[in-house]
Amino acid sequence: EDKVVQSPLSLVVHEGDTVTLNCSYEVTNFRSLLWYKQEKKAPTFLFMLTSSGIEKKSGRLSSILDKKELFSILNITATQTGDSAVYLCAVEDFTGTASKLTFGTGTRLQVTL
Amino acid sequence: ETGVTQTPRHLVMGMTNKKSLKCEQHLGHNAMYWYKQSAKKPLELMFVYNFKEQTENNSVPSRFSPECPNSSHLFLHLHTLQPEDSALYLCASSRPRDRVLAGANVLTFGAGSRLTVL
Repeated sequence: EDKVVQSPLSLVVHEGDTVTLNCSYEVTNFRSLLWYKQEKKAPTFLFMLTSSGIEKKSGRLSSILDKKELFSILNITATQTGDSAVYLCAVEDFTGTASKLTFGTGTRLQVTL
Repeated sequence: ETGVTQTPRHLVMGMTNKKSLKCEQHLGHNAMYWYKQSAKKPLELMFVYNFKEQTENNSVPSRFSPECPNSSHLFLHLHTLQPEDSALYLCASSRPRDRVLAGANVLTFGAGSRLTVL
């Protein structure tokens, strides 16, 4: 059974800090790993990672995948209060005919002034 | 706005009521999903439709009944629910699920319907 474990479950940081969120996984037929940000509404897509060692970057957010050690990290530099959200990690299992996403429980990030 | 619209946003119902959740997507996607999100638990996949055909039912109790009349609309009919069914129900859509290239399963979510069962 596919499994995704995110850590920490929650954290509180001060504005301006840098944070690293972790996602480790076990999946039978790995095809991709996805990060989503969920505020009080729809989870919104951040990154899709398919290859090890290639950093994806969008503004202050970046992410990288290690397919050998089966984990990914999401970095947020110079955090702002608008970064407060639950960050979800999901892995895609693709059998060749259909894909399936397994989500972690998420990391709740709170950025304070 | 994500392009996936869910109504109602909030719903309170008794255990004997019958209600429906509605989802509509304007993204040209062909796959639609229902997920359940409970506190401190991972998103749980409930149903998947690919080109209007149900392709996955994750052992969901029969008191939840999905309907997909076309690739743009998805319903979740609710009947004799239990208090433990209270949760956020998220609808999502994506490109067809059998695409070979990665990225087919990048889901676009709606804002969810917050359900409370009394």
